[in-house]
Amino acid sequence: DGGITQSPKYLFRKEGQNVTLSCEQNLNHDAMYWYRQDPGQGLRLIYYSQIVNDFQKGDIAEGYSVSREKKESFPLTVTSAQKNPTAFYLCASSLQGVGSGANVLTFGAGSRLTVL
Amino acid sequence: QKEVEQNSGPLSVPEGAIASLNCTYSDRGSQSFFWYRQYSGKSPELIMSIYSNGDKEDGRFTAQLNKASQYVSLLIRDSQPSDSATYLCAVNFPMDTGRRALTFGSGTRLQVQP
Repeated sequence: DGGITQSPKYLFRKEGQNVTLSCEQNLNHDAMYWYRQDPGQGLRLIYYSQIVNDFQKGDIAEGYSVSREKKESFPLTVTSAQKNPTAFYLCASSLQGVGSGANVLTFGAGSRLTVL
Repeated sequence: QKEVEQNSGPLSVPEGAIASLNCTYSDRGSQSFFWYRQYSGKSPELIMSIYSNGDKEDGRFTAQLNKASQYVSLLIRDSQPSDSATYLCAVNFPMDTGRRALTFGSGTRLQVQP
């Protein structure tokens, strides 16, 4: 089955540690995204990538880093510079271009990060 | 001003009633609009997409778009307790805004009472 796999599902981090969240898709989508969701809030864009080896900052990129070395993979690193990292992290992917299927996001199951 | 605005709710309706969820957005040039449903602790799933003015129906769901008023809504007919969730409105802003990803509202929590 095609889809997006995020891991780990739950992650606990001590203050000052970097952690990396994995996101893999087998949908052959060009674009991939990372969103953050806080309780009772909508989704806020952290980073996105429209093509391999290229990515752009979203609205809340500070304290995060990404890479896009392969089309299928878009890992997110939450660095110690992120002051309030406890949140639900969602990875998504989409087709690019125009037409009814473009830009429709498919989400992974999410990773819940808690800072102890 | 928020770019995509929704009433946070909760919106409470009795089982079998019509639930009406509303969303306004800031940029008149926006072209693509989406409704996602999110159950507590889960990831969002696409319910409806709409691209042109008017109504679009899919089963019990109807999306309505009015670009002149910058308004998009979702109607759920014959509401069921299983429809209880948070509904997220998402908008694709114009390319010249520099945005390349969906912008989400904060969501409306719907409660369907048995």
